[in-house]
Amino acid sequence: EAQVTQNPRYLITVTGKKLTVTCSQNMNHEYMSWYRQDPGLGLRQIYYSMNVEVTDKGDVPEGYKVSRKEKRNFPLILESPSPNQTSLYFCASSREVTSGGSDTQYFGPGTRLTVL
Amino acid sequence: GNSVTQMEGPVTLSEEAFLTINCTYTATGYPSLFWYVQYPGEGLQLLLKATKADDKGSNKGFEATYRKETTSFHLEKGSVQVSDSAVYFCALKLNYGQNFVFGPGTRLSVLP
Repeated sequence: EAQVTQNPRYLITVTGKKLTVTCSQNMNHEYMSWYRQDPGLGLRQIYYSMNVEVTDKGDVPEGYKVSRKEKRNFPLILESPSPNQTSLYFCASSREVTSGGSDTQYFGPGTRLTVL
Repeated sequence: GNSVTQMEGPVTLSEEAFLTINCTYTATGYPSLFWYVQYPGEGLQLLLKATKADDKGSNKGFEATYRKETTSFHLEKGSVQVSDSAVYFCALKLNYGQNFVFGPGTRLSVLP
């Protein structure tokens, strides 16, 4: 079954304690990205990756890091989480096409993060 | 910069009513346009898309037409069902290798 998986699904942590949210896809997609969803703000893209070792900032990258060492995995790293990073996070992947923008994005189930 | 504007919600309709959710965009170029739907407790799913002007995307009775002249991509459905209750997001993506931009979402509630 084609899917994007995220772990953990729920996480409560404290300010300053480094954490990693994993994301994995089994569709051999080139394009992967991370979003955060906040009430009234919709989805905002944090980082995206065109392929292995190629990453770029989205609209709200501050306080986050990513890496793309393998095509299937795209972890999101919070080196020193703060309460304003409390949010619902989604990972997504898609096949990138050279014209007409991207193909369909497939979203993971979400990770609800609370930073105290 | 690039941006997407959607009508404010929530939108509350009775079953079998006609639905329109407005979406307009600003983009430096000619984007692909998307509507995504998010059901309670789930991630987003693609509902429909259009990649060039005058294209019409359609799926599950929903339609949207890419209007370059008005920079719009309004979502419509002729007869909504209770199961259509969800949050709907309009989004754009410009070119190869660029990022997605989403609107704030519009919550739809359909009452029996």
